[in-house]
Amino acid sequence: DQQVKQNSPSLSVQEGRISILNCDYTNSMFDYFLWYKKYPAEGPTFLISISSIKDKNEDGRFTVFLNKSAKHLSLHIVPSQPGDSAVYFCAALDYGGSQGNLIFGKGTKLSVKP
Amino acid sequence: DTGVSQDPRHKITKRGQNVTFRCDPISEHNRLYWYRQTLGQGPEFLTYFQNEAQLEKSRLLSDRFSAERPKGSFSTLEIQRTEQGDSAMYLCASSLKQGEAFFGQGTRLTVV
Repeated sequence: DQQVKQNSPSLSVQEGRISILNCDYTNSMFDYFLWYKKYPAEGPTFLISISSIKDKNEDGRFTVFLNKSAKHLSLHIVPSQPGDSAVYFCAALDYGGSQGNLIFGKGTKLSVKP
Repeated sequence: DTGVSQDPRHKITKRGQNVTFRCDPISEHNRLYWYRQTLGQGPEFLTYFQNEAQLEKSRLLSDRFSAERPKGSFSTLEIQRTEQGDSAMYLCASSLKQGEAFFGQGTRLTVV
């Protein structure tokens, strides 16, 4: 059973518009969440994270929103650029109860069209 | 380049052969993780080291898999008697603390 779910395998967005990538989780012990970006033939690259004590974290064009009651988080990219085209993975962590191993979703492939 | 380094980048092997992969983490990172990624899936945790101690192993890590980090620096992952189901991208990551882990470029294993 998937503890971290990314239900949209793909998303296509026009350059300059907003990209919204969604992620749901089932384990209420998760208290730290991360987004990674992955280009083909490369390892995942850390993008942004959020602790469960916050509901929003912003870094430049990237903002992550966390809704704990709904067990849902989203990544907003504004404005989207063609270089943002990649697979985005949501990951979660039980900060107090694990050794730091991340639980990943299956990813969403974002295509930003010029 | 001071990032996580993995070697080799690609490995093709015949079923039944043994393979070994190497990971050099970021030098000051004491935490080291191995993950495996198959097509259409996210990375799946295999094992974790803090310095030279292997502190956690996933049930995905069968008896044919062994990992070491002898001096708390680089790590090796060995797969014995490879099977076609072992074909995957093997990713190494390192970190200073829980949370953001920095990944290498991975070793893509193909078992034929």
